[in-house]
Amino acid sequence: DVKVTQSSRYLVKRTGEKVFLECVQDMDHENMFWYRQDPGLGLRLIYFSYDVKMKEKGDIPEGYSVSREKKERFSLILESASTNQTSMYLCASSLVGTGDLNEQFFGPGTRLTVL
Amino acid sequence: RKEVEQDPGPFNVPEGATVAFNCTYSNSASQSFFWYRQDCRKEPKLLMSVYSSGNEDGRFTAQLNRASQYISLLIRDSKLSDSATYLCVVNPPGNTGKLIFGQGTTLQVKP
Repeated sequence: DVKVTQSSRYLVKRTGEKVFLECVQDMDHENMFWYRQDPGLGLRLIYFSYDVKMKEKGDIPEGYSVSREKKERFSLILESASTNQTSMYLCASSLVGTGDLNEQFFGPGTRLTVL
Repeated sequence: RKEVEQDPGPFNVPEGATVAFNCTYSNSASQSFFWYRQDCRKEPKLLMSVYSSGNEDGRFTAQLNRASQYISLLIRDSKLSDSATYLCVVNPPGNTGKLIFGQGTTLQVKP
């Protein structure tokens, strides 16, 4: 079974803090993704990585950065957390391919609250 | 116009009912299509792929209409355990690996 794990299920931080969200997958997937999910807005892609040290901006990259130093690990960084970054953060991974190979496997999510 | 549009619902149906969700997508060159299921406070998981010829898995049937650019999901004989949010997902052209997720349609099956 593919397993995607995230470092925390719940996190509470203060405005201005630097926040690290870690994601690890164990299936040697090339692609990894960070999304945030908010009521009424659905899943929105923050950043995408298709290989080690490679990254691509998603739809809402402002206020975020990412790091992928190893294939299995993809980190999301909030340089200076703000209250509008309170959200559910979901990490996913997938193979490179077409059709069903594009299935994304999600981690359990991190619910981040910024006070 | 959103790339993938769904009616958010909620759809409230009694057990045993048949319910159908539709989803429209804007890019006619989109390559493949999926339905994901997301239970409350859980992560999304693939429910089924959607093929041009239709796809049936037990009580679930997914269909694709490329001419009208919509995808449908039919659930027959609804169970309480079907209560969840169903996400329509589109693989856009370019084979980038990225998927576009709809907002989701919430289904509540009542006893």
